[in-house]
Amino acid sequence: DAKTTQPNSMESNEEEPVHLPCNHSTISGTDYIHWYRQLPSQGPEYVIHGLTSNVNNRMASLAIAEDRKSSTLILHRATLRDAAVYYCILRDVSGAGSYQLTFGKGTKLSVIP
Amino acid sequence: EAQVTQNPRYLITVTGKKLTVTCSQNMNHEYMSWYRQDPGLGLRQIYYSMNVEVTDKGDVPEGYKVSRKEKRNFPLILESPSPNQTSLYFCASSLFSAPTNSPLHFGNGTRLTVT
Repeated sequence: DAKTTQPNSMESNEEEPVHLPCNHSTISGTDYIHWYRQLPSQGPEYVIHGLTSNVNNRMASLAIAEDRKSSTLILHRATLRDAAVYYCILRDVSGAGSYQLTFGKGTKLSVIP
Repeated sequence: EAQVTQNPRYLITVTGKKLTVTCSQNMNHEYMSWYRQDPGLGLRQIYYSMNVEVTDKGDVPEGYKVSRKEKRNFPLILESPSPNQTSLYFCASSLFSAPTNSPLHFGNGTRLTVT
C-alpha cells in the first residue's frame, strides 16, 4: 500500500494560515488523498479529499503537487478549535488495491493564542 | 442524526474474560472498520468489512474477532483479552467500500483497560 509521511508536530499562531504537508511519493494513479483530523477526546473527522486538482471546502483547502507526490492541507485562519492531530491517508478507488486504510501517526497541530 | 455509535465508552476488565464492543451505524453504509489507537502509534486498523458477511484482516488483527451479520452492526470481540489490548478503539464506516472515495465516519471511541 502506498504510504504517507507527515511531520510529527507543527505550531501556528491563532488567526494565521497553516500549511500542513504530506509526502506520498509512491502514490498510484487511482489513489485519492484524504485528510482527517482528530480533536482531543474525539474520533477522527473527515476534512477534505482530492485526486489531482486543488480542492476547497468550508473547512480547508487541499493543494496537490503536479506530480501528486505531495500535498498540503491549508487552514486559512487557524483558530484554537483547529488544534488537533491531522492525518493524511491514501484511498485506492480502482478496486484493485487493498481496502485497508492505514492512518499513521499524523501531525499534531498546536495553535497559539 | 447520522452517526456511528459505539458501546460502551469505557470498559475495565480482567485478563481472559471475553468481551464485545458494539458498533452500529444508521447511514446504510457498506464499509465498516475497527481501529485501535495507542500513544505514539497513531491509528491502526484491526479488521474491516466491505459488506454483510465479508470481513478481512487489517494491520493488527491478532487477538480480535469480528462479525458482520447485519449491515448496520459490526461488533468487535475479544475472546481472551490481554493487557496489551488496553487501548482506545474506534469504529468507522463509509458509504461504499470501493471503488470510491467516500469519507469515513467515526464513532466516539471505546477506552478499554485490561488488568
